[in-house]
Amino acid sequence: GDSVTQMEGPVTLSEEAFLTINCTYTATGYPSLFWYVQYPGEGLQLLLKATKADDKGSNKGFEATYRKETTSFHLEKGSVQVSDSAVYFCALSEDYGQNFVFGPGTRLSVLP
Amino acid sequence: DTGVSQDPRHKITKRGQNVTFRCDPISEHNRLYWYRQTLGQGPEFLTYFQNEAQLEKSRLLSDRFSAERPKGSFSTLEIQRTEQGDSAMYLCASSLTGLDNEQFFGPGTRLTVL
Repeated sequence: GDSVTQMEGPVTLSEEAFLTINCTYTATGYPSLFWYVQYPGEGLQLLLKATKADDKGSNKGFEATYRKETTSFHLEKGSVQVSDSAVYFCALSEDYGQNFVFGPGTRLSVLP
Repeated sequence: DTGVSQDPRHKITKRGQNVTFRCDPISEHNRLYWYRQTLGQGPEFLTYFQNEAQLEKSRLLSDRFSAERPKGSFSTLEIQRTEQGDSAMYLCASSLTGLDNEQFFGPGTRLTVL
C-alpha cells in the first residue's frame, strides 16, 4: 500500500537558519502531495501542495518540489522564525484529497 | 463560521465504557472525515461522509466504532466498550465536494482510556 516516510525529529534550529525536512513516498499511482502543519493546540492546516511531477508548492516562505524520479517532496525554508515551531506532516492522496496517507510528522523547534 | 469544531476536547474514560464525540464542520462543506492520530504518528483515515451518506470506512474502524451524520451537518463518532488501545486523538475534517478541495481540520478530541 501507499506510505510516507519523513525524517525523524525533533529538529531544533536557531532563528534564521535554513530548514529541510525530508519526505519520501511509495504509491501505486500518481498521487498528489501535501505538507500540513500543526501548531501547538491547533488543528492541522494545509501548508502547501503539488499535484503533478515537477510542480513546486509554496506558501509562507516554505517550498517543496514534487520529484517523481526520487519519489520525494522535501520541505524547505530559507530562514526559519520562532513562529514556525510546529509539527510538519507530509501526506499523499491518490484521489486528490479524499483519502490521505500521512507521514509520522516531524517536530520543529526554532530557538531565538 | 470560524472553522471545524469538535467536542469535547478531552475525554477520560474507564475501559469498557462507551464514549461519543461530536464534530461540527464548516457549514457549507458537504464532506466530513474522521481520522485517528496516536502519539508520534500521523493521522490515519477512519471514515468519511458525503452529506448524510457514509461512503467509505477503513479497516481500522472495528465493529465497536460507529459514525453518523444524520442530517448531513454535524457528525458523531461513538466507541463502544472502550479499550486502552483506543486512546488517541480523534480528528475531524470537512471539505467541499470535488477535486482540488482542501480538507479543513478541527482541533481534535483527545481520548484517554484508563
